[in-house]
Amino acid sequence: GIQVEQSPPDLILQEGANSTLRCNFSDSVNNLQWFHQNPWGQLINLFYIPSGTKQNGRLSATTVATERYSLLYISSSQTTDSGVYFCARTEAAGNKLTFGGGTRVLVKP
Amino acid sequence: DGGITQSPKYLFRKEGQNVTLSCEQNLNHDAMYWYRQDPGQGLRLIYYSQIVNDFQKGDIAEGYSVSREKKESFPLTVTSAQKNPTAFYLCASSIAGVGTEAFFGQGTRLTVV
Repeated sequence: GIQVEQSPPDLILQEGANSTLRCNFSDSVNNLQWFHQNPWGQLINLFYIPSGTKQNGRLSATTVATERYSLLYISSSQTTDSGVYFCARTEAAGNKLTFGGGTRVLVKP
Repeated sequence: DGGITQSPKYLFRKEGQNVTLSCEQNLNHDAMYWYRQDPGQGLRLIYYSQIVNDFQKGDIAEGYSVSREKKESFPLTVTSAQKNPTAFYLCASSIAGVGTEAFFGQGTRLTVV
């Protein structure tokens, strides 16, 4: 089946550092979403990005659909950036999401 | 405010009991989904529905049932046939179409006692 792989699985950052999270997917993409799961478990939508580059404050994302990967950039990290970041690819049939295993980010003050 | 409301936040179930998790949305979305998350894992699809009175099984449907009698509501029943029901359950919705953006509720944490 379709696979979505995220790397690294864990990331520890010092506050103020920059980082890049990667998402590889095994098949073509109709849509690619990035989420942040907060400590209470809620999934917060970060980006809806089937291709190209988008920026939202200190976060930006790039999807290269032809090469089947997406990157999430966190700049000037803050402790509130801690949590788990998921990417998810949408399947055409049923608009279902296939999730990667997540990257656990801890930003230390 | 528009959004997706899941209730309850925490639910405790005795072994052998069925329990129903509620998911309501006022976003006027056609499609709704149920996902399960185990500790340290990603989300896996249980059931989804693209229109009222129709739903399909996802990857891990065994031991679960759903209904879609209203556009706004997509309740999930965890039956006694589900062998390992302790997990975090998330409901999502999206507008109709291919590759549309999905939005999630706050989740229900189910524990079997």
